Amino acid sequence: DQQVKQNSPSLSVQEGRISILNCDYTNSMFDYFLWYKKYPAEGPTFLISISSIKDKNEDGRFTVFLNKSAKHLSLHIVPSQPGDSAVYFCAARSSGQNFVFGPGTRLSVLP
Amino acid sequence: EPEVTQTPSHQVTQMGQEVILRCVPISNHLYFYWYRQILGQKVEFLVSFYNNEISEKSEIFDDQFSVERPDGSNFTLKIRSTKLEDSAMYFCASRKTSGGNTGELFFGEGSRLTVL
Repeated sequence: DQQVKQNSPSLSVQEGRISILNCDYTNSMFDYFLWYKKYPAEGPTFLISISSIKDKNEDGRFTVFLNKSAKHLSLHIVPSQPGDSAVYFCAARSSGQNFVFGPGTRLSVLP
Repeated sequence: EPEVTQTPSHQVTQMGQEVILRCVPISNHLYFYWYRQILGQKVEFLVSFYNNEISEKSEIFDDQFSVERPDGSNFTLKIRSTKLEDSAMYFCASRKTSGGNTGELFFGEGSRLTVL
């Protein structure tokens, strides 16, 4: 039972363009969402989060959008840089519960 | 900047042997976690720990697994009798907040376990 889905296993984007990473979830009780970036042989590093009371959160080049009715969130990276090439994980939790991670999307930013 | 540290970075062991993976969470954090990632698969929750006891565990976390916080700083994961399928990257994580929905997880670099 995949509660958090990232249907694109990989994505390639030209440097300077926008990267859009998508995440869908099935559990309507999820109310807090995070995006993590992971380089090979390293632990996931936190990027940005959003609470269900918001529909957008922005931090520099990173913006997360949440559509609760569609149970969908997305991460926008603008402009994309080669150093952004990594695996991006969406994670979600409901109050008092632990984070559930999606399978990840591998982003490649081409110079 | 404070960080979660894990040792060893890589351990190779024979099937059936006991393994202890060690973690030092960020010092003022209250919640501690172990996750694992089998090569090519997603990051999976194993166990969470708060107030010196397990708060939640997944189906993966069977009787072969145990966690301990033996002192004020270390948080360990023990696998009593390793199986081939335990080969994975094990990540320790910690979180600061004691309530509500805020507070991201801070992950360590991971310990790669290879069971032969």
